[in-house]
Amino acid sequence: LAKTTQPISMDSYEGQEVNITCSHNNIATNDYITWYQQFPSQGPRFIIQGYKTKVTNEVASLFIPADRKSSTLSLPRVSLSDTAVYYCLVGDFGAGSYQLTFGKGTKLSVIP
Amino acid sequence: KAGVTQTPRYLIKTRGQQVTLSCSPISGHRSVSWYQQTPGQGLQFLFEYFSETQRNKGNFPGRFSGRQFSNSRSEMNVSTLELGDSALYLCASRTRGGDNEQFFGPGTRLTVL
Repeated sequence: LAKTTQPISMDSYEGQEVNITCSHNNIATNDYITWYQQFPSQGPRFIIQGYKTKVTNEVASLFIPADRKSSTLSLPRVSLSDTAVYYCLVGDFGAGSYQLTFGKGTKLSVIP
Repeated sequence: KAGVTQTPRYLIKTRGQQVTLSCSPISGHRSVSWYQQTPGQGLQFLFEYFSETQRNKGNFPGRFSGRQFSNSRSEMNVSTLELGDSALYLCASRTRGGDNEQFFGPGTRLTVL
């Protein structure tokens, strides 16, 4: 499983766009990039997943450059309720044996 | 569709005791994974079960064990509890065959005194 590196913490004001970048230099060909969000005393919640280029859903966008050695989670116009820890995971999440390896994550604090 | 449920939500035990935690996955999900979360170590993978078989195991001592029943419900057991076992234990379920999203339950907060 590829090792990931992301900032420990970030602060942002309400209404701003937040970009969290994750480095994964040893990503493998079959690996996907997945982001989870976790609020205190709750289980992580899936946000978005991608393999290359750009993926967008109703809550976030994921930008992946051509070399796939990094990825950026973009949260548009954050609100106080987006204050949480965000985890970047990289792995071959196929039909075989499945294990999520969580790093330390990025603690996002949204300021009023 | 109901989410992943875990029981109990909170538990207090003393050193040396054993504990059993229960997890009911989302209906139709046959894969169940267990994780331990502590402030110091973060989220760590314990094991995964699929069709009543353990498919993958993390780096935890043999005191941590699990099983899965034919209805996909899973239990996790920790024997001879130690103070360091105090943690939030999370269960997650997913489908197999290319569905990559895991759905986590609310967790069981275990405190060992």
